[in-house]
Amino acid sequence: RKEVEQDPGPFNVPEGATVAFNCTYSNSASQSFFWYRQDCRKEPKLLMSVYSSGNEDGRFTAQLNRASQYISLLIRDSKLSDSATYLCAVNTGNTPLVFGKGTRLSVIA
Amino acid sequence: GAVVSQHPSRVICKSGTSVKIECRSLDFQATTMFWYRQFPKKSLMLMATSNEGSKATYEQGVEKDKFLINHASLTLSTLTVTSAHPEDSSFYICSAEGVSDYNEQFFGPGTRLTVL
Repeated sequence: RKEVEQDPGPFNVPEGATVAFNCTYSNSASQSFFWYRQDCRKEPKLLMSVYSSGNEDGRFTAQLNRASQYISLLIRDSKLSDSATYLCAVNTGNTPLVFGKGTRLSVIA
Repeated sequence: GAVVSQHPSRVICKSGTSVKIECRSLDFQATTMFWYRQFPKKSLMLMATSNEGSKATYEQGVEKDKFLINHASLTLSTLTVTSAHPEDSSFYICSAEGVSDYNEQFFGPGTRLTVL
């Protein structure tokens, strides 16, 4: 089993839709979790950290399920500008972040 | 806060030349920086972990004599691609570890290297 797995997509959704991505991780000792956004030919940018209690930032909600070892990202009211690749990242505390391969999202007008 | 710069943003060079890429943390000190490579439409590939004041730790399959890393200060790490060849053409991105307890990483804007 790979350390961090994501559905590569693409997810093609209409504007205004709600879309959710999951990311599973194999190391139960993982301590920190993040979602990054990467636009085409650009660097990844930290979108949000994922806290144990879940967290929300505007239209974005991140959740952690330790029992099933996955994190999720929910995007409500999708905008065209949300089109990007979303990378999850996991850290066990002693190693560099392990990144998933990313999930591509296309929001269509 | 947590801004990372990278220079140059783009470089085109002839085969056989060496190219140096700089990565700077602008508003924080970074004991640890990371170097990644990304081919078009592919995922990030970690090349090495750069530690201030000590030798870099390279990932399996990455030649340390080919990709020289120097982390001489808490705000600067450099990657030198020596004797570059066309297959080294890629998007090179550095990141710096943040100062919180969560070990998040902040990325530089990347350097697009084209070797002719």
